[in-house]
Amino acid sequence: AQKVTQAQTEISVVEKEDVTLDCVYETRDTTYYLFWYKQPPSGELVFLIRRNSFDEQNEISGRYSWNFQKSTSSFNFTITASQVVDSAVYFCALNGRGSTLGRLYFGRGTQLTVWP
Amino acid sequence: KAGVTQTPRYLIKTRGQQVTLSCSPISGHRSVSWYQQTPGQGLQFLFEYFSETQRNKGNFPGRFSGRQFSNSRSEMNVSTLELGDSALYLCASSLVSDTEAFFGQGTRLTVV
Repeated sequence: AQKVTQAQTEISVVEKEDVTLDCVYETRDTTYYLFWYKQPPSGELVFLIRRNSFDEQNEISGRYSWNFQKSTSSFNFTITASQVVDSAVYFCALNGRGSTLGRLYFGRGTQLTVWP
Repeated sequence: KAGVTQTPRYLIKTRGQQVTLSCSPISGHRSVSWYQQTPGQGLQFLFEYFSETQRNKGNFPGRFSGRQFSNSRSEMNVSTLELGDSALYLCASSLVSDTEAFFGQGTRLTVV
């Protein structure tokens, strides 16, 4: 079975604080993909990053960074020096190979509010 | 490059009616997926189409159906609408099934 858990329902920070969003996943597939999406109030899911299960190298893109650890089945997302525009719901998602290919399993999302 | 376009953006329907939602994928993308988003259930997968064939289907009743045309555009249909069908319906397109999916802004359906 495929499952994604985002234990943090809501997080509030003040601008310029660093914030980490947690994501834990479950899958029996040996090859799979992990994603992070951002959903602003407009509703559109904005793609942020995709990693495959064979690439555990952490990644940094501007103020965003991702920490992928297969040993703990986690794919955490950190925003450095947060800004008000980062306020949104963030979703972690999993796409396995085999019969579930093409289907994203989403966590319940984390509502991030950044206060000025 | 144009993104994923969903029409209409908002829709109000009465219980028992049927509705058709449309999705135009990014040019060159052949895989189209549909998701339902509600506060109670979160984001749930409806179905995925690739080259006009349904490849995957989520756990939804037969009232929910879809299709994909030769130009990769997709439609989903919900018949005999129920109040619980009120949701944001999101369409996503990708080059093939295992690459990053890009989402449209969704169609917000309200059933009264």
